[in-house]
Amino acid sequence: SQKIEQNSEALNIQEGKTATLTCNYTNYSPAYLQWYRQDPGRGPVFLLLIRENEKEKRKERLKVTFDTTLKQSLFHITASQPADSATYLCALDAGDDKIIFGKGTRLHILP
Amino acid sequence: EPEVTQTPSHQVTQMGQEVILRCVPISNHLYFYWYRQILGQKVEFLVSFYNNEISEKSEIFDDQFSVERPDGSNFTLKIRSTKLEDSAMYFCASQKLAGGLRGDTQYFGPGTRLTVL
Repeated sequence: SQKIEQNSEALNIQEGKTATLTCNYTNYSPAYLQWYRQDPGRGPVFLLLIRENEKEKRKERLKVTFDTTLKQSLFHITASQPADSATYLCALDAGDDKIIFGKGTRLHILP
Repeated sequence: EPEVTQTPSHQVTQMGQEVILRCVPISNHLYFYWYRQILGQKVEFLVSFYNNEISEKSEIFDDQFSVERPDGSNFTLKIRSTKLEDSAMYFCASQKLAGGLRGDTQYFGPGTRLTVL
């Protein structure tokens, strides 16, 4: 079955630098991959979706890449700010109307 | 901006009791979902619902679970006989488009924290 791994449980980045988070999957290439933000005690908030035929997607300071050869997606936050501190979840299409989530990476932006 | 709402925010129940978690999805959305997140663990898919029936369910969603859209606005998750391991945050989500454009944005509610004693 499909498995998702997010590279680290926690990541500390200095304010103003670019944060890069990694999502790897093990099995078939999904039709799409999504990134969400989750704050403590709250539900996930959708950020970006990238489809299998897209290599890169951008939204303001966010950039997502999707490499189906490496079975990997990278999520970048440029000019990071303390308000970007949160857990970031990778999720991918598991067929039909089901998506599966990674465990998430807790990002801390240090002032 | 429209949002998904969930009630109650926190539910405490005794093991073996039935609970009903309620969700009001965004009004023009067509797909509805339930997820759970055990403390410190990942968000897990439970079930998707479209056109008044379950379209997909996970192995977690056994006979103890059921979903219903009783009145065209509410979407409920019932756990018939709760177990200690059902303690988790339960998130409802809704999605606007049906079928064709898979992967359309899912909007999550704030969650219900279920504590089974």
